[in-house]
Formats: sequence, structure tokens, C-alpha cells
Amino acid sequence: EAGVTQFPSHSVIEKGQTVTLRCDPISGHDNLYWYRRVMGKEIKFLLHFVKESKQDESGMPNNRFLAERTGGTYSTLKVQPAELEDSGVYFCASSQARANTGELFFGEGSRLTVL
Amino acid sequence: GESVGLHLPTLSVQEGDNSIINCAYSNSASDYFIWYKQESGKGPQFIIDIRSNMDKRQGQRVTVLLNKTVKHLSLQIAATQPGDSAVYFCAEKFGGGSNYKLTFGKGTLLTVNP
Repeated sequence: EAGVTQFPSHSVIEKGQTVTLRCDPISGHDNLYWYRRVMGKEIKFLLHFVKESKQDESGMPNNRFLAERTGGTYSTLKVQPAELEDSGVYFCASSQARANTGELFFGEGSRLTVL
Repeated sequence: GESVGLHLPTLSVQEGDNSIINCAYSNSASDYFIWYKQESGKGPQFIIDIRSNMDKRQGQRVTVLLNKTVKHLSLQIAATQPGDSAVYFCAEKFGGGSNYKLTFGKGTLLTVNP
């Protein structure tokens, strides 16, 4: 079974440009999460989808970030316009609805570098 | 507020020694905790978890201890190997049902010297 896949693995853009990150969760996982890790710091929660609905977007930094999950399958996270402080690794994770545990299955991340 | 922190940001051990990584958490209501391992260029990988109704759980070469009195979590790695070198994060679960998330600490960089 395929795990969580993310694309691109690395993106280098200039300040002011737009980047869209994509996440394909594990098939059948209704929960989809976006997290971000800025260099040397903790993994910070951004938002949580249950199917196509945003359950919790309390971690989204500002309105330059837009996440979507049309159809409840894959998700995109768009940053527009990108700023220097947006650099970091963006992780996507998924889990089954009402899982017995709280384990999240993570992708390998999309590294974003804003110059 | 929500916070999961670590006592030691870095830990260097000799191959074959045992490693102990510590974590303090703040949410007394959290019922589930996880340790993740993140290797360079990879995503966090599940190591071991523990529910709040337990105080110890063992896996293969790893043991997690939970002390709810002082809100402390630790990960013990026996006979540490070079392949164990990575950043280790503890995480606690907030919420329940389908509305839950994990909150992570800063991580501890474990370096295993051959």
C-alpha cells in the first residue's frame, strides 16, 4: 500500500512568487493534516481536513496560505505571495477517521526555499 | 496553553550505549502520546506510542515511560546504533473522535558515535 506522497520534494522560489504543494494521503484516510517545520524548530500544526472539510485551521500563519481538499482525496497548499519566513519543510500526514490510536502517517515533506 | 517541550536539544552517545530522551508536556487531558523519529530528508516515522492509562510500554529496543504526576515522557533506546541517529520528537494528542491533532515538541538531535 502506498504511503503519503508529497510533491514537489523541493521547491526554490523568489519572494513574491507562488508555490503550490500537493499531498496524496493514504487511500481511505479521511483525516489529512498539514504541518511545517522551520529550520531547527518544532513541527508546527497548520490545519486539519476531515474529508473535504476544514476541521481546524488554527495553525495557518496568515491569509497568504490557502489549503484545499476538493473531493476529499488529495490536498494542495498554496502560498501566495511567498515570503522569506515561509521557508521550511511542509509535511502532510493522514490517518483513518476515528482511529483507535492517534498515530499520523507522514509523507517525506516538501522543502520550500524562498529567496 | 498547548506546549510539548524537550529538556535536551542534543544528545551524543557512543554506539552500544543506552540513550534516554526526555519530554515535558502540558496538557493533563491528553490521552495519547507518540514518539517519532525523523531522519534527514525524510518525514517523521512512528517509533512507539503510549496511552495515558499506562506508565510504561516496550517495543523492540525502545521503551517509553510516562509519568503523569510530573507530566513527563521519556524514550529509552537500548544498545544505540549509528542508524538511530536522527531527530526525535515527542507528540501529544489533542482532541478525540475524528477531530484530533498531534502537537509536537522541538525535537532532540541524537548523534551516535561509532
